[in-house]
Formats: sequence, C-alpha cells, structure tokens
Amino acid sequence: DAGVIQSPRHEVTEMGQEVTLRCKPISGHDYLFWYRQTMMRGLELLIYFNNNVPIDDSGMPEDRFSAKMPNASFSTLKIQPSEPRDSAVYFCASSLGQYSNQPQHFGDGTRLSIL
Amino acid sequence: RKEVEQDPGPFNVPEGATVAFNCTYSNSASQSFFWYRQDCRKEPKLLMSVYSSGNEDGRFTAQLNRASQYISLLIRDSKLSDSATYLCVVNNFNKFYFGSGTKLNVKP
Repeated sequence: DAGVIQSPRHEVTEMGQEVTLRCKPISGHDYLFWYRQTMMRGLELLIYFNNNVPIDDSGMPEDRFSAKMPNASFSTLKIQPSEPRDSAVYFCASSLGQYSNQPQHFGDGTRLSIL
Repeated sequence: RKEVEQDPGPFNVPEGATVAFNCTYSNSASQSFFWYRQDCRKEPKLLMSVYSSGNEDGRFTAQLNRASQYISLLIRDSKLSDSATYLCVVNNFNKFYFGSGTKLNVKP
C-alpha cells in the first residue's frame, strides 16, 4: 500500500517567494496533520484536518502560513511570503481516527531552505 | 508544562547492552500511546504501540503506567542499527503529542 506522499522532497528558494508543499494521505485515513521540524524547536504541529475540515490551526506561526484540504486525497501548505526562518523539514502525516488507538503515518518530508 | 516529556539523552551504550527510556505525560485522559523511531534526516516511523498490559516485539518491550502517567521502552541486546532518536507519542482525542525525543547511540 502507498504511504503518505509528499512533494517536493527538497525545495530551495529565495526569501519573499511563495512556497507550496503538497501531501497525499493514505487512502481511507480521515485525519491529516502538518508538522514542522527544526533542530532548535523539534517537531511542531502546525495544523490538522478531520474529513477535510481544519480542526486546530493554533500551531500555524503567522498569517504567512495557510493550509487547505480540498478533498480527502490532497492537502497543501503554503507560505507566502517565505522567510529564511521558515527553513525546516515539513512533514505531513495521516491517521485513521475512527479508533483512537491508531497511530500516525508520516510522509518522507519536504526539506525547505529559504535563502 | 509540556504534554509529553522525555530525557533528551544521549544514551551512549555498547552493543549488547540493555537500555530503557521513560516518558511522562500530563493528561490523565490520554487514550493511546506509541513509540516512534526517527533516524537522522528521516521521518518518524512507528516502532510500536503501547498497551496497558505491556507488550513486546522482539527485543523491544513497551509498558504503560497510567497511575503514574509514564511510558517506558526497553531495548535488549542493543544493535548498532538501534542508534536513532526515540519519540514518545500520546494521543488525546486524535491530537498527537510528541516528546522531544531521546537520542540513543549504540557503540561497537
């Protein structure tokens, strides 16, 4: 079975540019999570969705960040305008929320560098 | 107070050693618990779920103590390939809380 698929794997861009990260969750999973990981701050939850609806976006750092989930098989995380401090690894994860004992499954991540 | 707390380590152990990590969580209503492993520059991967009665998967044993609100992971006969960061994860109503991770270095 295909796991969580993220694209691109790597992104290098100049500050001020718009960045769009993409995620395809595991088929049938009804929860989708976006995380950011840095050495300094560890793994931070940015936002999560249930059945395509954003449930908690309290981790989104500021208005420059936005996330959407137009359907059950696709989500985007957008940064506009990007800044060097946004450089991090961004992970997408999905889970089956019907049963609370189900774990999350992570994608390979997008390594983002803002110059 | 953080939802999940772990000793960051590193734990430096020789091959063949037994090593144990603990993790504490703050919400007594937490519903499910997991250990994840993360290798350098890779995504976290599920190592094992943690059940109330304790559970074992090969050299790995996980235990849950709800009264004291802690979870443990025991690794027996450590291998070089066990070197990684181990993340404790707690699920509260489908919101997952990650510890900051415990780094393990297994040395020859």
